[in-house]
Amino acid sequence: DVKVTQSSRYLVKRTGEKVFLECVQDMDHENMFWYRQDPGLGLRLIYFSYDVKMKEKGDIPEGYSVSREKKERFSLILESASTNQTSMYLCASRITPNTEAFFGQGTRLTVV
Amino acid sequence: KQEVTQIPAALSVPEGENLVLNCSFTDSAIYNLQWFRQDPGKGLTSLLLIQSSQREQTSGRLNASLDKSSGRSTLYIAASQPGDSATYLCAVLDSNYQLIWGAGTKLIIKP
Repeated sequence: DVKVTQSSRYLVKRTGEKVFLECVQDMDHENMFWYRQDPGLGLRLIYFSYDVKMKEKGDIPEGYSVSREKKERFSLILESASTNQTSMYLCASRITPNTEAFFGQGTRLTVV
Repeated sequence: KQEVTQIPAALSVPEGENLVLNCSFTDSAIYNLQWFRQDPGKGLTSLLLIQSSQREQTSGRLNASLDKSSGRSTLYIAASQPGDSATYLCAVLDSNYQLIWGAGTKLIIKP
């Protein structure tokens, strides 16, 4: 089975902190994604990557950056956390664009 | 612009009933459609993927159908169980290879 692992289930950070959310997949998937999920707004795409060293902005990239130094790892970075970034963050991966997407267990981030 | 709608937003049925969840989309130019399940506070679990050339897919008690021309998909759950209680999300893969999401149907199966 495909496994997508997010480094933390729950995180509490202070406003202004630099926050790293890590995601690792074990199936040699080319494509990786970061979403955030908020009540009433659904899933929104933050950043995605179709290959190592490649990254593309999604629908809501402001306040975020990403890193993909290795194929299996895709990191989401909050440069200076703010309270409006309190959310559930979901990482996903897939082999190629037209294949099944698999998700991690989610990271509930609270910024205080 | 592709839009995905799931109706109803919430559904409560007694255990043992068969049920259908609906997903509609506005643009038939899709590569595939995927159904997911999400338990409270958890990530998404992939249930079924239907390619645009397919009409249906089955996995255990789940059957998903796709009618691309009419912009509709259904997820049929047979002999529902309390453990099926969750939010069910559908997503279509659009012409830019991006997933466009519905808002989900919250399903409650009453014992």
